[in-house]
Amino acid sequence: QVQLQESGPGLVKPSETLSLTCTVSGGSISSYYWSWIRQPPGKGLEWIGYIYYSGSTNYNPSLKSRVTISVDTSKNQFSLKLNSVTAADTAVYYCAKLSGIGSVGYWGQGTLVAVSS
Amino acid sequence: QSALTQPASVSGSPGQSITISCTGTSSDVGGYNYVSWYQQHPGKAPKLMIYEVNNRPSGVSNRFSGSKSGNTASLTISGLQAEDEADYYCSSYTSSNTVVFGGGTKLTVL
Repeated sequence: QVQLQESGPGLVKPSETLSLTCTVSGGSISSYYWSWIRQPPGKGLEWIGYIYYSGSTNYNPSLKSRVTISVDTSKNQFSLKLNSVTAADTAVYYCAKLSGIGSVGYWGQGTLVAVSS
Repeated sequence: QSALTQPASVSGSPGQSITISCTGTSSDVGGYNYVSWYQQHPGKAPKLMIYEVNNRPSGVSNRFSGSKSGNTASLTISGLQAEDEADYYCSSYTSSNTVVFGGGTKLTVL
């Protein structure tokens, strides 16, 4: 049973870069699609983007200019970088594994990242 | 891309059936049979309940079913139970090779 765990700072200053890593255990990161999804407090889910284990990516158009998702198959990890953050980027960030086209079968527990000075 | 449209809330009594709608466009819901539904309890990560419009992952109760007509997908929960009270989100694959979520629906079991 694959498990995902997000890690990274829980507080980021405005205009700086949010960086999170997702460690995958219980299975290989190879041959699958992996995603980042976020949820502002009290609000709905927002898809950020996904990456194939080979490194090909696709991003939410509204975030594309600020987002980079990368993968490190040697560490069984993938990462998220979101630059020039503002308070609007405060959210619980989930890493996830796609189990089919557009469907998320496995979720991390989520990590709250607050943007504040 | 615009979020898919869901009702903000629905409610039902135990044992009843409810349906949650999810409306998109021909570029997402209407164009592909890649609609998913998720259940989220407070403070928890979402859980996949339906994928590819009407398929249930292993372990999901057959009280949950999905369908689609045109640009609108639906999730039906039959034999409503107290533990079904949660937020429900739909999502769809899009023509831009991205994924878009609905705004979410809060289900209250009366």
